[in-house]
Amino acid sequence: DAGVTQSPTHLIKTRGQHVTLRCSPISGHKSVSWYQQVLGQGPQFIFQYYEKEERGRGNFPDRFSARQFPNYSSELNVNALLLGDSALYLCASSTAWGSSYEQYFGPGTRLTVT
Amino acid sequence: DQQVKQNSPSLSVQEGRISILNCDYTNSMFDYFLWYKKYPAEGPTFLISISSIKDKNEDGRFTVFLNKSAKHLSLHIVPSQPGDSAVYFCAASARTGANNLFFGTGTRLTVIP
Repeated sequence: DAGVTQSPTHLIKTRGQHVTLRCSPISGHKSVSWYQQVLGQGPQFIFQYYEKEERGRGNFPDRFSARQFPNYSSELNVNALLLGDSALYLCASSTAWGSSYEQYFGPGTRLTVT
Repeated sequence: DQQVKQNSPSLSVQEGRISILNCDYTNSMFDYFLWYKKYPAEGPTFLISISSIKDKNEDGRFTVFLNKSAKHLSLHIVPSQPGDSAVYFCAASARTGANNLFFGTGTRLTVIP
C-alpha cells in the first residue's frame, strides 16, 4: 500500500511569495496533520484536519492556512513568506482523531525561502 | 516551552550492544507516547508506542519503558544494528482529544560495526 505522499519534494521561493504544499494520506486514513521541522529541532504541529474539519491548530501566524478535501487529501498554504519559513514541512495521516492513534509521516517538502 | 525533551543530542553504541535513548516530558496531560526514527531526506517512521496505562511495551528488538511518576520514558534497542543508525524522536500526545504530537529535539544514534 502507498504511504503518505507529498508534493513537491523541494521548493524554492522568494520572500513575500505564496506557497501551496500538497499531501495525500494513506488509503483509509481520514485525519491529516501538518508539521514544520526546522534544522536541529523536532517537528512542530501546525494543523490537524479530520473529516474535512479543522480539529487543531498550533502556534503559527495567520499566514498559515490549510484545508482538507472530500478525498481526505490536504493542502497547506503559506502567504507572505519569510526567511524563517524555510523548513521541512511534514504531513502525517492517521485513521481517526484522538490521542492514541499513531500518525504516519510522508517524506516532507523542503521549502527554501530566499 | 519544550514539553518533550531529549537531553542527549547524540549516542554511539557498538553493534550488538544495547542502545538506550531517553526522553522527559513536563505535561501531565500526555497519555500516549511514541518513538519515531528518521533517516536523512525521509519523513519520521513510526517505531513503537505506549499508552500511559502501561509501563512497558515490547516489539521485537525495541522496548519502550514509561515511568509516569518521573515523567520519563526510554527506548531500548537490543541488539543494536548498524541499520539502526538514525535520528530518534520521542513524541507525546494529550488526552484532550486532538492527537497533535509534541516532539523532542531528537537523539542521533550511531551504531558502530
